[in-house]
Amino acid sequence: DIQMTQSPSSLSASVGDRVTITCRASQSISSFLNWYQQKSGKAPKLLIYAASSLQSGVPSRFSGSGSGTDFTLTISSLQPEDFATYYCQQSYSNYTFGQGTKLEIK
Amino acid sequence: QVHLVQSGAEVKKPGASVKVSCKASGYTFSTYAMHWVRQAPGQRLEWMGWINTDNGNTKYSQKFQGRVTITRDTSASTAYMELSSLRSEDTAVYYCAREGAWLHFEYWGQGTLVTVSS
Repeated sequence: DIQMTQSPSSLSASVGDRVTITCRASQSISSFLNWYQQKSGKAPKLLIYAASSLQSGVPSRFSGSGSGTDFTLTISSLQPEDFATYYCQQSYSNYTFGQGTKLEIK
Repeated sequence: QVHLVQSGAEVKKPGASVKVSCKASGYTFSTYAMHWVRQAPGQRLEWMGWINTDNGNTKYSQKFQGRVTITRDTSASTAYMELSSLRSEDTAVYYCAREGAWLHFEYWGQGTLVTVSS
């Protein structure tokens, strides 16, 4: 199975900050990498698919990049509603998720 | 708009089975695959398997092979996930998720809490 590792596992930041979350795959997954946001007690919400494509309706402050084994999710200017847990997911071979990055208010 | 509505919370005893439903609306059900994902308390999301809603073909995670069965009823636009031989470690929120064109999970159900306890 392909393992997905996110860093950091938790992050404190302030409104207006630029934040980057990293996801690394245990083998090359081309661009089969997706990002989700999950708020407490809610279902995950798709943000980015195919490494860098913004899902319809998602604010443009979210962006994704990378290919192969290394990927990043960037939030250009944090808003209050962005404090949540973020998961990467590979869909190259079956489906596995990272352990999550909890983004908290500083 | 697309909606996935799941059945309600369940409490089961160890060794029992549970069947969770996921009713889709807002699109042609048999056009998109449906996946099942679970999340144990404080844990990461875990993919369980998926069904081709057109022909009924399935694929399961090796972890759940032999214990999970995913089916669908196209006339009711509903997918089902049945997990057998339940143990306490199966206590989790179970989600259905509709696949998108790039093998991403574009829409999600609201989740169904399954509690396994004696």
